[in-house]
Amino acid sequence: SQQGEEDPQALSIQEGENATMNCSYKTSINNLQWYRQNSGRGLVHLILIRSNEREKHSGRLRVTLDTSKKSSSLLITASRAADTASYFCATDAFQGAQKLVFGQGTRLTINP
Amino acid sequence: GAGVSQSPSNKVTEKGKDVELRCDPISGHTALYWYRQSLGQGLEFLIYFQGNSAPDKSGLPSDRFSAERTGGSVSTLTIQRTQQEDSAVYLCASSLEAEYEQYFGPGTRLTVT
Repeated sequence: SQQGEEDPQALSIQEGENATMNCSYKTSINNLQWYRQNSGRGLVHLILIRSNEREKHSGRLRVTLDTSKKSSSLLITASRAADTASYFCATDAFQGAQKLVFGQGTRLTINP
Repeated sequence: GAGVSQSPSNKVTEKGKDVELRCDPISGHTALYWYRQSLGQGLEFLIYFQGNSAPDKSGLPSDRFSAERTGGSVSTLTIQRTQQEDSAVYLCASSLEAEYEQYFGPGTRLTVT
C-alpha cells in the first residue's frame, strides 16, 4: 500500500489565494519530500524536510511535518497560474531502503 | 549544470518485443533510481543503485525487468517480452547520496501496442 496519501485529490482555487495540501504516511521516516509534476512528465523537487524538523520555508512554499501524527502539509501562498500542477509527497523509510514512496498526488488548478 | 537525461523520450513497441531505456544521471551523483508512473497514478519504485553496492531490486514487478548501471554512471532499464500493462512513463532520478533530494529526468513514455 502507498506510504504517502495526499489530500485532497484535487484542488481548484483562484489566483492569489493560498493552497494547502496534506500528506499522511504510515511508518517512521528519515525525511519527507514534496515534488511538483507538470503534464505527467518529469518531477521537480520542491522541498525536503527531515524527521527532526517541524517547519521549513522556501519562497512561497511552507512545509510542516508532524511526526506524531505522521502527516505533512504543503502551503503555497499567493498562488499563480504557473502553480497549476500535480503535487506529490514522498517518504523514505527510517533505516530502510532509500527508495522514495510516493502518494497519488494532489492535482492543483489555479484559475485566473 | 546538466540535469538528468533520459532517452528515448517516447517509445512505441509491439507486445513481445524487448526495449531498453537509458538514463544519464547528474555527474557526481552516486545514487540512481528508476520509477514507473502509470496513467494518473503516483510513482512506483522499481530499482535503486548506490555506488558499488548491490542494487535494491525490490520494486521490479517481474523477472522481465532488469537494470544495470555501468561505471557508476549511465543506467539502462531493460524490459523483455513487453506486455501492454508495461505501458507507462519510466522516470529516472539521481541524488548526490542516499537520503538527499532526488532529481528527476523528463521520463520515457513507453507504449506497448
